[in-house]
Amino acid sequence: DGGITQSPKYLFRKEGQNVTLSCEQNLNHDAMYWYRQDPGQGLRLIYYSQIVNDFQKGDIAEGYSVSREKKESFPLTVTSAQKNPTAFYLCASSIGGQGTYEQYFGPGTRLTVT
Amino acid sequence: GQQVMQIPQYQHVQEGEDFTTYCNSSTTLSNIQWYKQRPGGHPVFLIQLVKSGEVKKQKRLTFQFGEAKKNSSLHITATQTTDVGTYFCAGPNYKAAGNKLTFGGGTRVLVKP
Repeated sequence: DGGITQSPKYLFRKEGQNVTLSCEQNLNHDAMYWYRQDPGQGLRLIYYSQIVNDFQKGDIAEGYSVSREKKESFPLTVTSAQKNPTAFYLCASSIGGQGTYEQYFGPGTRLTVT
Repeated sequence: GQQVMQIPQYQHVQEGEDFTTYCNSSTTLSNIQWYKQRPGGHPVFLIQLVKSGEVKKQKRLTFQFGEAKKNSSLHITATQTTDVGTYFCAGPNYKAAGNKLTFGGGTRVLVKP
C-alpha cells in the first residue's frame, strides 16, 4: 500500500519550543516538498528536495529547517524563530523535481503553538 | 516572480447548477495541474493539461488549457454535494530553481442542497 504518511495528525507545542514533523513516502519518488496552509488560504512552499542530501528553500523558509538523509524521509523542523508557526503542514512527493510531475500529498499535520 | 491567480475565491452553487472557475498565470506554462482539497483533507491531483487549447473531461468536470497556455478553466456541470472543496490550479515556475510548482490561491466551492 503505497503513499505518504505524516505524523502526528495533530501537534500542540508551547511557544519557544522546536518541533519536528515527520514525512515518509514509499512511492520511490525522488522529489519531496513541504507546504504550509493557513485557514482559507492556498499552499505556500517552505522547502523542497529533488534528491537525497540536497534541498532548496521555498518561498517561506525562514524559521524552518529540513534534512534529506534518506530517499523515503523528509522531516521538517519548525524552530522557535518561526513567528507564526500555527498552521496546517502538508508534505508531498513527486517522481521528479520539475513542475512537470503531479504531486502526491500526505494527510497533513495540524500544528498549534500557544 | 510568477503569479498564479484563481477566480472566484469563493463559489456558492445551488445543487444541480453549473459553474466555472478560472486560473490565470502571469507567465506561459508548459503544463497546468488541477488539485481538489476536501474540507479537512489534503490536496488530491485531478488532472494535467499540456497542449495549447487542450480539453479533458472527467465525468461532470471539464478542464481546458488556454490557447496561449497562460490560463485554464474548470467547468462543473450539475453540481453535487460531493463537489464541495477547494480547487487549486498549479503551474511550473521556470524562474525558480527546479521549476517548482506554483499554486494558485484556490476556489472554495460550497454547494447549497
